[in-house]
Amino acid sequence: DMKVTQMPRYLIKRMGENVLLECGQDMSHETMYWYRQDPGLGLQLIYISYDVDSNSEGDIPKGYRVSRKKREHFSLILDSAKTNQTSVYFCASSSGQETLYFGSGTRLTVL
Amino acid sequence: QQNVQQSPESLIVPEGARTSLNCTFSDSASQYFWWYRQHSGKAPKALMSIFSNGEKEEGRFTIHLNKASLHFSLHIRDSQPSDSALYLCAGITGNTRKLIFGLGTTLQVQP
Repeated sequence: DMKVTQMPRYLIKRMGENVLLECGQDMSHETMYWYRQDPGLGLQLIYISYDVDSNSEGDIPKGYRVSRKKREHFSLILDSAKTNQTSVYFCASSSGQETLYFGSGTRLTVL
Repeated sequence: QQNVQQSPESLIVPEGARTSLNCTFSDSASQYFWWYRQHSGKAPKALMSIFSNGEKEEGRFTIHLNKASLHFSLHIRDSQPSDSALYLCAGITGNTRKLIFGLGTTLQVQP
């Protein structure tokens, strides 16, 4: 069963707190992604990971960092969260340039 | 910079109608095109993909790609209320090999 799992589904944090979003996939996909989705801005790529410890910035990496120590796990970290980081965050995985499989998303609110 | 334009921005059609969604790419070297569908509050999910000029049909859905005109379209025959969703087109750019998403078309099918 091909699945991308994101935790948590909902998260409320205060400005300045650290945030950890976690993502797992069971398809042994090499490539994993973090996107954020905001009304009017669509899906914006934050980071892409081509394999363990092989991460590249996407279009909006500022304020975020990632960690990929195992092929099946990809974490997104916000150090000192800001209110403008309130968004829905999606993790996805793919095998090379094939179809992306998305997780169910994390709705993050930074107060 | 690669640009993906989708039209219309939103669309309301009656049940049973034929619906057409459009996507235009700015990069003539783009390859590998997808339509993703995202129901409200859910993750985007790949609907159909096409990698060469022409047409592809799956059930009520048909996609058409014309690389010369940089045009990519999705047609839904006999639209159903369950088709109501945000439809995102996506393609891999020729230069950066990055997957670029359009902002989407919101489709509402009224019973």
